[in-house]
Amino acid sequence: NAGVTQTPKFQVLKTGQSMTLQCAQDMNHEYMSWYRQDPGMGLRLIHYSVGAGITDQGEVPNGYNVSRSTTEDFPLRLLSAAPSQTSVYFCASSWGQAGFNEQFFGPGTRLTVL
Amino acid sequence: KQEVTQIPAALSVPEGENLVLNCSFTDSAIYNLQWFRQDPGKGLTSLLLIQSSQREQTSGRLNASLDKSSGRSTLYIAASQPGDSATYLCAVHVRAQKLVFGQGTRLTINP
Repeated sequence: NAGVTQTPKFQVLKTGQSMTLQCAQDMNHEYMSWYRQDPGMGLRLIHYSVGAGITDQGEVPNGYNVSRSTTEDFPLRLLSAAPSQTSVYFCASSWGQAGFNEQFFGPGTRLTVL
Repeated sequence: KQEVTQIPAALSVPEGENLVLNCSFTDSAIYNLQWFRQDPGKGLTSLLLIQSSQREQTSGRLNASLDKSSGRSTLYIAASQPGDSATYLCAVHVRAQKLVFGQGTRLTINP
């Protein structure tokens, strides 16, 4: 099992550019989520999904879009990057739909927006 | 609003010592509590998950306790090793789909 994988590992964008952060899991987990980690702010939930076709907003959803067309994949889209979106992004998954089972995290994507 | 606090922010101890990391939360209405380890530049690795009905969980040299009524959890590490050096995070599930993290304790084990 690869677990939760994320690509790319590093990315530099200019303000206004768009990009998609990829996340995939091979554990057949229904619940998937995206967090950002910032110094002094801890990890904050951006969006989550309880299954294919079902997504919802977390604590800091502005500026991000998600979709879930398959159980395995949960991409995060930045439509128009801003310097405030410079952060480390983590994808996580867990079995069940409720989201309060053991969470498994990916290795992260380090994003810098200039 | 649920807040999770971890004190101290950093801890340095000599190898071989037993140590305790602390986590406190303001609202006792939680589903469970999870401890993670994060190495520099890496993702989070799950260490232990304690359900709200449990008092403790053990995995190898790690033991985590939970006291919901007082809003506290501790992570006990026995016979610490340099490889235990990392940042340790606790997080509480306050409702379905909502995980609130503490800021973490950065642990350094000195050989």
